[in-house]
Amino acid sequence: DVKVTQSSRYLVKRTGEKVFLECVQDMDHENMFWYRQDPGLGLRLIYFSYDVKMKEKGDIPEGYSVSREKKERFSLILESASTNQTSMYLCASTTGGSGAYGYTFGSGTRLTVV
Amino acid sequence: GDSVTQMEGPVTLSEEAFLTINCTYTATGYPSLFWYVQYPGEGLQLLLKATKADDKGSNKGFEATYRKETTSFHLEKGSVQVSDSAVYFCALSSTGFQKLVFGTGTRLLVSP
Repeated sequence: DVKVTQSSRYLVKRTGEKVFLECVQDMDHENMFWYRQDPGLGLRLIYFSYDVKMKEKGDIPEGYSVSREKKERFSLILESASTNQTSMYLCASTTGGSGAYGYTFGSGTRLTVV
Repeated sequence: GDSVTQMEGPVTLSEEAFLTINCTYTATGYPSLFWYVQYPGEGLQLLLKATKADDKGSNKGFEATYRKETTSFHLEKGSVQVSDSAVYFCALSSTGFQKLVFGTGTRLLVSP
């Protein structure tokens, strides 16, 4: 069964910590995405990547960075965690070409910053 | 820019009732349209999709028709079950792009 795997379901971190959220897909997809999900706001795109070592800012990149050293892995980095980054983080991937294929999502990481 | 508007929830129904969740969109070109479902504690799963005008996507008894003239993609099901309780997201992908734009989600609660 094809999968997008997020390394942690729940995380609690302290303000100011550097936080790494990991995402791995086994479908050989070119495109990977990080979203955050907040009540009433839906899903908002943080960063995405079309290829290894390539990254593009989404709608809300401030306070975040990403790394894609291998095709299957896309990491989201909170350089200095703040309480307003408490959220559900969702990773997704899709194959290249037309946007008609839709995404495969991971199960999400619920991050709490205290 | 592209956007998706969904009806606010929660939508509360009794088992076997008819479901409609409204979705309208604004986009340039000819987007592909999607419905995703999120069950409690899980990520999003693709429920159905339509890639051109008048296409009907269907899955698990759910249906949605791509209406270009009204820029809509309403989700329907003839008889809901308790197990359909979840959050439903409408989304679009503009021509030539991989990014999906999501609506804010609609929570469906089905009681026995």
